[in-house]
Amino acid sequence: QVQLVESGGGLVKPGGSLRLSCAASGFTFSDYYMSWIRQAPGKGLEWVSYINSSGSTIYYTDSVKGRFTISRDNAKNSLYLQMNSLRAEDTAVYYCARASRGGPGAYGMDVWGQGTTVTVSS
Amino acid sequence: DIQMTQSPSSLSASIGDRVTITCRASQNITSYLNWYQQKPGKAPKLLIYAASSLQSGVPARFSGSGSGTDFTLTISSLQPEDFATYYCQQTYSTPREYTFGQGTKLEIK
Repeated sequence: QVQLVESGGGLVKPGGSLRLSCAASGFTFSDYYMSWIRQAPGKGLEWVSYINSSGSTIYYTDSVKGRFTISRDNAKNSLYLQMNSLRAEDTAVYYCARASRGGPGAYGMDVWGQGTTVTVSS
Repeated sequence: DIQMTQSPSSLSASIGDRVTITCRASQNITSYLNWYQQKPGKAPKLLIYAASSLQSGVPARFSGSGSGTDFTLTISSLQPEDFATYYCQQTYSTPREYTFGQGTKLEIK
């Protein structure tokens, strides 16, 4: 079935790095735009980063620009988020999500992973 | 950036009630408005896209309406599984600015 599975979260010290992965299955990954969305403990949803189907167009929310890098490997059906210079405020559950209807996400994100927890603390 | 404001922030209702949640955008977003449901410890689930289109597999008791700056999500007859937090999301601007509302927590009265 259509599925996204994140991995790579954990506990890291401020200033440290983590690389999140998202493995896709059950659909043609290379046809879809993808995003990372996070949720801090007890808070709402925050869109973090977006990549189009070929990887040629990328966006970041301002708070992570210059620190996070999104990428994808369509041959491996995988999405990544390299997170550097981590801060306490990056602590959150990170979800990967698929843009519905093959577009850039205007019609919402229709498939989500279960989330992976990133905790930034000394 | 476009700001999204949901009201109320929380709501208590009973099984069988009709419930309406409102989302207001800080500028015109035409019909680029989506609604999600999130249960504790779970990922969000897309309910409504393009303001009023029901996502496949979502029960027909959920409906969305509105355009421009004012939108509503209505649950016609609350079921036990509907108690959750609901988020609106605007997708009018570039993906860098696909902002969410702050959420509405729907609780059992």
